[in-house]
Amino acid sequence: GNSVTQMEGPVTLSEEAFLTINCTYTATGYPSLFWYVQYPGEGLQLLLKATKADDKGSNKGFEATYRKETTSFHLEKGSVQVSDSAVYFCALSDPGNTPLVFGKGTRLSVIA
Amino acid sequence: GAVVSQHPSWVICKSGTSVKIECRSLDFQATTMFWYRQFPKQSLMLMATSNEGSKATYEQGVEKDKFLINHASLTLSTLTVTSAHPEDSSFYICSAHLLQGYEQYFGPGTRLTVT
Repeated sequence: GNSVTQMEGPVTLSEEAFLTINCTYTATGYPSLFWYVQYPGEGLQLLLKATKADDKGSNKGFEATYRKETTSFHLEKGSVQVSDSAVYFCALSDPGNTPLVFGKGTRLSVIA
Repeated sequence: GAVVSQHPSWVICKSGTSVKIECRSLDFQATTMFWYRQFPKQSLMLMATSNEGSKATYEQGVEKDKFLINHASLTLSTLTVTSAHPEDSSFYICSAHLLQGYEQYFGPGTRLTVT
């Protein structure tokens, strides 16, 4: 079945540092890939998505590229801010009304 | 954008009682909604798929008689935790699938504490 593996946290960075959170997936078909963010005490918010190979999703300075050859969807940001502190989830879904399969989440703490 | 609401946002109940959680898509119709459960500092685990007008599909290990799901309309799904116990304390999150795309929109979650 489908699965998502993302790097274990927590990750602690200084403000303006470069962020990479690795995510790889296993899927039988051609899934869509997502990054969701969860701020403390809140629900999930879609951060970015990519629906086919070589697509790049981007939002709020975050980027991730759908790499079919390496089955990866790594999240990057060039300069993190304290307000980026949250838990980040990589996820995939097959086409249609299918549920998301989540990675375990990576907690990011950015310190001033 | 698509908005999904949940009510209540948090609830405390006594052991043995039942609690109903509502999930509503506010500005779109959702034939399919999903219910997830999240334990502290862990990922979301799918509990069940809720389809409008039909019985929910439960994931392996989820007790359907304990977690009753009703998808009464295209904009409302409810999860009732029956005879709640402290181990049912968790963060319950619903999502609705937007038919025009692949993405799901999540409700803000309901934190259930059973004492």
